[in-house]
Amino acid sequence: DVKVTQSSRYLVKRTGEKVFLECVQDMDHENMFWYRQDPGLGLRLIYFSYDVKMKEKGDIPEGYSVSREKKERFSLILESASTNQTSMYLCASRNSGGARETQYFGPGTRLLVL
Amino acid sequence: AQSVAQPEDQVNVAEGNPLTVKCTYSVSGNPYLFWYVQYPNRGLQFLLKYITGDNLVKGSYGFEAEFNKSQTSFHLKKPSALVSDSALYFCAVPPISGNTPLVFGKGTRLSVIA
Repeated sequence: DVKVTQSSRYLVKRTGEKVFLECVQDMDHENMFWYRQDPGLGLRLIYFSYDVKMKEKGDIPEGYSVSREKKERFSLILESASTNQTSMYLCASRNSGGARETQYFGPGTRLLVL
Repeated sequence: AQSVAQPEDQVNVAEGNPLTVKCTYSVSGNPYLFWYVQYPNRGLQFLLKYITGDNLVKGSYGFEAEFNKSQTSFHLKKPSALVSDSALYFCAVPPISGNTPLVFGKGTRLSVIA
């Protein structure tokens, strides 16, 4: 079974703090993704990565950055957290076989920024 | 651009009755279509996907989906609903070919009432 893990299930941070969300997958997948999920807005793509040290902006990259130093790990960084970044963050990974491949998700991190 | 739409925010069904969660798509070429389920405070779990071949796709937990090209639909179905099926359901499509991430519908909340 594919396993995608996220470092925290729940996180509370203060405005202005630097926040790291970690995601690790154990299936040697090339592709990894970060989404945020908000009520009424569904899932929106923040960043994705095709391979180590590669990154691409998604639909809403502002206020976020990412790091992919190792194949199994994809980190999402909030440089200076703001209250509008309170959300559910979902990481996913996928093989590089193209659009037909299945994306597998982690359990999510629910972030509250005060 | 490829997209999916879930026309219903909420679907209510009595336990034991058949359920349908609707999804329509707009894609060029042959579509790949996915269904995911999200239980409360959890990540998304893959249910099934249509790549090619049979229009009726069988998936996890007794769910199936019917691909209908003439109606551009990919509705999720189950013959007999369980209370434990209550969750948020997402339809998804890759926006273009290659390694691009899935684009998700807004989600449909299914409530199965005992």
